[in-house]
Amino acid sequence: NAGVTQTPKFRVLKTGQSMTLLCAQDMNHEYMYWYRQDPGMGLRLIHYSVGEGTTAKGEVPDGYNVSRLKKQNFLLGLESAAPSQTSVYFCASSYSNNAGELFFGEGSRLTVL
Amino acid sequence: SQKIEQNSEALNIQEGKTATLTCNYTNYSPAYLQWYRQDPGRGPVFLLLIRENEKEKRKERLKVTFDTTLKQSLFHITASQPADSATYLCARGTGGGNKLTFGTGTQLKVEL
Repeated sequence: NAGVTQTPKFRVLKTGQSMTLLCAQDMNHEYMYWYRQDPGMGLRLIHYSVGEGTTAKGEVPDGYNVSRLKKQNFLLGLESAAPSQTSVYFCASSYSNNAGELFFGEGSRLTVL
Repeated sequence: SQKIEQNSEALNIQEGKTATLTCNYTNYSPAYLQWYRQDPGRGPVFLLLIRENEKEKRKERLKVTFDTTLKQSLFHITASQPADSATYLCARGTGGGNKLTFGTGTQLKVEL
């Protein structure tokens, strides 16, 4: 079982460029999440999805868009990257809406110059 | 906002001792708290869940407590080993959708 897979693992962008991070899970989980992790800030929720075709904003959604066209995939898009979006991005999935544990991917390190 | 606070200073202990990590929360008590382990360059890995109506949970060498009076959870690792060295994250449940609010984590170093 691969669990939660994120691609790419590393990416360098110039300010204003766009890109998409892909998250795939093979556990048939309903719930999926995108977090960013910055030094001294902890993990912060960007967007999340409670099922195929649904998305919702988290704590820090500005500058990001997401889509959940298929249950197993959750895409995070940056339309016009900014240096403030330099971070490590983690995707996670969960099987339960009631305190279910989160399964995380290995992270995608994004640098915006 | 509902915050989670963890000691940002690293905790250094000797092998064989018990490590105790602290997680404090603000405002109302969360329905549950979760603890995760994160190794450098890796994603967090779930360790333990404790609900508001539970005072203590154990799993092998791990123990977590939930004190709603002190608004605090303690995470203990007994008989610590160098392999336990990692950053430990505390998280509280935040509303529906199983959303979690994470603390910044505490780095634990277990020395020989």
